[in-house]
Amino acid sequence: SQQGEEDPQALSIQEGENATMNCSYKTSINNLQWYRQNSGRGLVHLILIRSNEREKHSGRLRVTLDTSKKSSSLLITASRAADTASYFCAGTSYGKLTFGQGTILTVHP
Amino acid sequence: DVKVTQSSRYLVKRTGEKVFLECVQDMDHENMFWYRQDPGLGLRLIYFSYDVKMKEKGDIPEGYSVSREKKERFSLILESASTNQTSMYLCASSFWGTGARGTNIQYFGAGTRLSVL
Repeated sequence: SQQGEEDPQALSIQEGENATMNCSYKTSINNLQWYRQNSGRGLVHLILIRSNEREKHSGRLRVTLDTSKKSSSLLITASRAADTASYFCAGTSYGKLTFGQGTILTVHP
Repeated sequence: DVKVTQSSRYLVKRTGEKVFLECVQDMDHENMFWYRQDPGLGLRLIYFSYDVKMKEKGDIPEGYSVSREKKERFSLILESASTNQTSMYLCASSFWGTGARGTNIQYFGAGTRLSVL
């Protein structure tokens, strides 16, 4: 079963703009993680937010978590063409990650 | 850097063949995972293992088995490949524990794209 539903499914923006992706999940989680996947490759961990945290920053990334709404968002500021990739949220529960279906981000130069 | 290596990037097999997908990690991680990724369905967990010789079913174990004889190696086995097993297969590993080791941040291999004809 899929933990996360991501919105939008695809996002197309210009370089320099901000990109926001949203994720909703169904069950209790210990933490929520965001991963990036370049076309045809494996996933790379970006950032983790614990269930008792509300916001976290890492470089151009900002993640929020609202456990009452079971939702999270990932903001990428000042996007670059190199940010073009698929982005997945994943909730950790009982030692397993359950992934959303992902958002395809395209950043045009 | 953590390295998770999958033995093949691309595989083409015939229906009914027995298929082995191998994964090796070099970070002494306790946990290892096999996922398949299909368009529109995201990543789905097939099996995982939290110790040598231990295995747990994920969400879609039917048609698959796994083997973990050594801590660094986790194999996915398709006993009799079928066309509906054509997919991208991803292996991952993570620490087991509490605190920083208990975050379950997973490190992924580059994936194996399997085509069953």
